[in-house]
Amino acid sequence: EDQVTQSPEALRLQEGESSSLNCSYTVSGLRGLFWYRQDPGKGPEFLFTLYSAGEEKEKERLKATLTKKESFLHITAPKPEDSATYLCAVQEVNGQNFVFGPGTRLSVLP
Amino acid sequence: KAGVTQTPRYLIKTRGQQVTLSCSPISGHRSVSWYQQTPGQGLQFLFEYFSETQRNKGNFPGRFSGRQFSNSRSEMNVSTLELGDSALYLCASSRQRGPQETQYFGPGTRLLVL
Repeated sequence: EDQVTQSPEALRLQEGESSSLNCSYTVSGLRGLFWYRQDPGKGPEFLFTLYSAGEEKEKERLKATLTKKESFLHITAPKPEDSATYLCAVQEVNGQNFVFGPGTRLSVLP
Repeated sequence: KAGVTQTPRYLIKTRGQQVTLSCSPISGHRSVSWYQQTPGQGLQFLFEYFSETQRNKGNFPGRFSGRQFSNSRSEMNVSTLELGDSALYLCASSRQRGPQETQYFGPGTRLLVL
């Protein structure tokens, strides 16, 4: 059974304090790994898709990387507006469903 | 380009009632998926529709059903509501089916069952 875990569950950073979020997955074959950001009361907002180990993608202060067993979302010099829950999801090679992790709740304090 | 829209945004029902939620995908998107989000279980896949046909179904009871119309709009129905059905119901659309397609989520419908 596909499993997706995320750590830490919650993270508090000072503005400018860089850190990384982890997404670990267990699938028989990875078709894609997706990162989303979700603000309270809103639907998830797409950030990145990664398809193969070694792949990296960047957007503003965010950088996502992928290995064979996990993905990291690196946040460089975060700002308070980066506060949100970050979700990762995986899609298996032979499946169509997205399996989501529980998310990491990030708070960036000014 | 307008995003995914969901109606209503908020809903209060009582146990035993039924409810219908609506989702309008991004123009040109043909695949619509539904998810349930709760604090305890997180985001869980309900079902996916493409070309008016259910293509995939998650592990939910038969009380949860859906359909898709020829214009790709989709509805989700929950019959005989239970307290545990209180959740944020999200729909997501993509242009086509397949792993290369990115899903774009709507704002959700928050359902409270009393």
